[in-house]
Amino acid sequence: KAGVTQTPRYLIKTRGQQVTLSCSPISGHRSVSWYQQTPGQGLQFLFEYFSETQRNKGNFPGRFSGRQFSNSRSEMNVSTLELGDSALYLCASSPDKETQYFGPGTRLLVL
Amino acid sequence: AQSVTQPDIHITVSEGASLELRCNYSYGATPYLFWYVQSPGQGLQLLLKYFSGDTLVQGIKGFEAEFKRSQSSFNLRKPSVHWSDAAEYFCAVGPSVSWGKLVFGAGTILRVKS
Repeated sequence: KAGVTQTPRYLIKTRGQQVTLSCSPISGHRSVSWYQQTPGQGLQFLFEYFSETQRNKGNFPGRFSGRQFSNSRSEMNVSTLELGDSALYLCASSPDKETQYFGPGTRLLVL
Repeated sequence: AQSVTQPDIHITVSEGASLELRCNYSYGATPYLFWYVQSPGQGLQLLLKYFSGDTLVQGIKGFEAEFKRSQSSFNLRKPSVHWSDAAEYFCAVGPSVSWGKLVFGAGTILRVKS
């Protein structure tokens, strides 16, 4: 089976812009979670989607949003980018309530 | 509040030596526990997981971890480290009733010297 894929792998944006990141889960996985990884804050949970519904949400401002499509693919959007949004954004998919499998991440740089 | 502590930010071991990475957690309910490894510029790879049952769990690449409820610990071990094990290791805890929302420790960077 193919693993979790994330596109694009690298992205450079400027402050105030918005960005959309995409995640394709492992075939058959219905749960998709998003995490932000920064040197200062480490790995932080953003949100989780299951069957097109947001089931869990972390402590991030409303500028961070996401959605899931009927084929389980997911996108996350960050509006009005700030310098502090520079990070590695990781997507993880899960076939059950126990194990999450991570993609390679999208590295976002905000200038 | 849920939290995971990895006390060692950096660890250096010689190739062939044994390894133990420490992880302590704070969790109100029965936790699911995980160890992930991350190579530079890469995503996270699952090494092993513990949900219930035998407190000594085996993972990939020769790693094992032992769950000790009394000490709220889930330490990762490997009897003989290889140079390719150099990476960052993350301990994580998750709720047994929710699919997402893993809480990660800060990570331990492992350096292997030849």
